[in-house]
Amino acid sequence: GNSVTQMEGPVTLSEEAFLTINCTYTATGYPSLFWYVQYPGEGLQLLLKATKADDKGSNKGFEATYRKETTSFHLEKGSVQVSDSAVYFCALSDQGAGSYQLTFGKGTKLSVIP
Amino acid sequence: SQTIHQWPATLVQPVGSPLSLECTVEGTSNPNLYWYRQAAGRGLQLLFYSVGIGQISSEVPQNLSASRPQDRQFILSSKKLLLSDSGFYLCAWNLRGYDEQFFGPGTRLTVL
Repeated sequence: GNSVTQMEGPVTLSEEAFLTINCTYTATGYPSLFWYVQYPGEGLQLLLKATKADDKGSNKGFEATYRKETTSFHLEKGSVQVSDSAVYFCALSDQGAGSYQLTFGKGTKLSVIP
Repeated sequence: SQTIHQWPATLVQPVGSPLSLECTVEGTSNPNLYWYRQAAGRGLQLLFYSVGIGQISSEVPQNLSASRPQDRQFILSSKKLLLSDSGFYLCAWNLRGYDEQFFGPGTRLTVL
């Protein structure tokens, strides 16, 4: 079956530090890959996505590149801010029975300190 | 634009009591609908999904059930809650043929 493995947190960084959150996946087909972000007490928001190999998704200074050869989709940001403190989820999609189902990693909690 | 609502936002229930959580989507038709549970320290677990009225697929056998009485309404129920049912319940939707899902604000359920 499909699975997503994320680096375990929590991750604590100082403001303006470089961020990398590792994500690797296992899938039988050619899934789309996503990063979602969850701020405290809220639902999940789509941060970025990539639909095929070598695609780069980007949004709000975050980037991730779909690497088929290493089955990875690592999230990066060059300079984090306190407002980036949240839980980040890597996910992949798998079409089945007319719906696209998402398989999520366990999430990585990021805390950015001033 | 599309919006998704969940209520209640928070709920505290005793063990053995019934449960009904509601999710509605506005601004779209024929969405796929999903219920997820997020337990403390764990990722998101898909509980149910629905591709149409009255069509429910269960991913995890448990004491929860789901129903879709209307096109844009998805309900999560239980006849008797267990302590292990505590968690953050998220509803999500997408359109057929599109893979990204959009999430509601969630319901925090505490079973005591």
